[in-house]
Amino acid sequence: GAGVSQSPSNKVTEKGKDVELRCDPISGHTALYWYRQSLGQGLEFLIYFQGNSAPDKSGLPSDRFSAERTGGSVSTLTIQRTQQEDSAVYLCASSLTGGSRREQYFGPGTRLTVT
Amino acid sequence: AQTVTQSQPEMSVQEAETVTLSCTYDTSENNYYLFWYKQPPSRQMILVIRQEAYKQQNATENRFSVNFQKAAKSFSLKISDSQLGDTAMYFCAFMINQGAQKLVFGQGTRLTINP
Repeated sequence: GAGVSQSPSNKVTEKGKDVELRCDPISGHTALYWYRQSLGQGLEFLIYFQGNSAPDKSGLPSDRFSAERTGGSVSTLTIQRTQQEDSAVYLCASSLTGGSRREQYFGPGTRLTVT
Repeated sequence: AQTVTQSQPEMSVQEAETVTLSCTYDTSENNYYLFWYKQPPSRQMILVIRQEAYKQQNATENRFSVNFQKAAKSFSLKISDSQLGDTAMYFCAFMINQGAQKLVFGQGTRLTINP
């Protein structure tokens, strides 16, 4: 079946502009995660959605970052007033919850470059 | 807070050799999972192997196996009969089995398999 998809694949924006990054999780996966990978670094947790529960936003680095998940499926990560330090690869992952199936399946990521 | 440390930024071996990647972690939790993910240049994070902390037996997946030492908080990955396609970044990751179940990643090891 289809995996996690993300769009756009690459995004170049000017400092100060807003950007939206999209994630389509695997059908039937109720959990959705956003991570950020800065150049040459490991992944950093940003936000977690689980069904209709309130999201866990504990990883968002500033109030310029927000995310929503509509209808329990597609998610959008929005970065307002982008800064150069926001340049990174943004990865989305989804997973089943419950039982022992907790593997997170990752999308290909969106590479964001802020000039 | 949980931390994951990968002490080898880069490694390089010849094809068909065996290579071991190191990972240590720090946690006060007792119920958790450990993972190794592979990230080739395509950016796609691919799950290589997982280990439940309550299991004493080391996980194996074909040429990949782990040495899980719970008391020492060590989780190394051994790749046997290495292949050119194993060239990638390898990330060790930790997940608490409760709440958001977010992954905490190490900084990664860049592994190159030479022909």
